[in-house]
Amino acid sequence: QKEVEQNSGPLSVPEGAIASLNCTYSDRVSQSFFWYRQYSGKSPELIMSIYSNGDKEDGRFTAQLNKASQYVSLLIRDSQPSDSATYLCAVNPGSAGGTSYGKLTFGQGTILTVHP
Amino acid sequence: EPEVTQTPSHQVTQMGQEVILRCVPISNHLYFYWYRQILGQKVEFLVSFYNNEISEKSEIFDDQFSVERPDGSNFTLKIRSTKLEDSAMYFCASSVGTDTQYFGPGTRLTVL
Repeated sequence: QKEVEQNSGPLSVPEGAIASLNCTYSDRVSQSFFWYRQYSGKSPELIMSIYSNGDKEDGRFTAQLNKASQYVSLLIRDSQPSDSATYLCAVNPGSAGGTSYGKLTFGQGTILTVHP
Repeated sequence: EPEVTQTPSHQVTQMGQEVILRCVPISNHLYFYWYRQILGQKVEFLVSFYNNEISEKSEIFDDQFSVERPDGSNFTLKIRSTKLEDSAMYFCASSVGTDTQYFGPGTRLTVL
């Protein structure tokens, strides 16, 4: 069973602080990694994608990938109350034959609360 | 900005009835997906669809489920005989390639 694990939280940070969200995955052949944000009762909204080891920055968000450790993280700098949501880590597992049809496996999500 | 749309936003049905959930993917996207999320649980993959056929499906996607692209814009999920445990949010997603997926707003299905 290919799994994606996240700390369920809740994670509470003060406004302006850095929020750090973590995710591990079990399938070593995974190729693509995504962070989605989900507000209560809403659909997943893409924040970032990352494919190569290292860091990728987009505004206040930085995704970090370490394939050797099977670990991906998301840092949110200068956290705002509007960042309060559930953050979903999603992995495209790929397949043994190298063909991927795009199936995403999601973690259970980390609930983030940013308090003023 | 183009987006995935879904109808209806909320569907209430009786156990054993058939339901059809509708999606309009982003117009230049080629890959289409259905996911579901039972309240308080993970988002789960159901099926992917490319070139007018199913490319992958999960063990959840049994004979009660089917998908169709009846015309150039709509993508539908049919549940033939609904069960109580089918109650969930159903999300449609689409992508250009087998990569970044954009999700629709979802249909909340309630089976009574």
